[in-house]
Amino acid sequence: GEDVEQSLFLSVREGDSSVINCTYTDSSSTYLYWYKQEPGAGLQLLTYIFSNMDMKQDQRLTVLLNKKDKHLSLRIADTQTGDSAIYFCAEKGHNAGNMLTFGGGTRLMVKP
Amino acid sequence: DAGVIQSPRHEVTEMGQEVTLRCKPISGHDYLFWYRQTMMRGLELLIYFNNNVPIDDSGMPEDRFSAKMPNASFSTLKIQPSEPRDSAVYFCASSYQGREQYFGPGTRLTVT
Repeated sequence: GEDVEQSLFLSVREGDSSVINCTYTDSSSTYLYWYKQEPGAGLQLLTYIFSNMDMKQDQRLTVLLNKKDKHLSLRIADTQTGDSAIYFCAEKGHNAGNMLTFGGGTRLMVKP
Repeated sequence: DAGVIQSPRHEVTEMGQEVTLRCKPISGHDYLFWYRQTMMRGLELLIYFNNNVPIDDSGMPEDRFSAKMPNASFSTLKIQPSEPRDSAVYFCASSYQGREQYFGPGTRLTVT
């Protein structure tokens, strides 16, 4: 089946930019998503990008998509301690019905 | 909107007992998804419904698990009999026409 990979851990200092990376294998991906999970909570949809776009910006969040390399990144500008959480990348393939394939999540730790 | 509602938030039960988890999707959403999250296996899709009809249940671990959606505003996931390895956080998510999925807060199940 299709696969989505993320690094396990990222540590940054408050005020710096964070970049969380994701790679996927499904060449038929239509939409790619970023979710945030805080301790004891569900997954919160942060943003998503359609596969025919290469960039999307939403306030402090910038999503970059390199479809050729099947690489997705989430940049968080001016990272705050409240951004500490696990971030999940997910993709929806054209042939997957409406199912999402999730990565294993990247734990972002923001140091004051 | 209240978002996806799940109950109970926490469930502790003994091995062999029946467990029923409940979900109310966002009003107007026509897709409903059940996921399980563990440290070892990450986020796994168990089953999903479209217009109350089960579409894909290939992720359901075994016959001890069953899910129903009697109407557009309610779904249940039942485990009978429960086993310690079923301990996990169970999430329900809903979406409109297969677009972005919105997750509930989850039910943390502990089977002793």
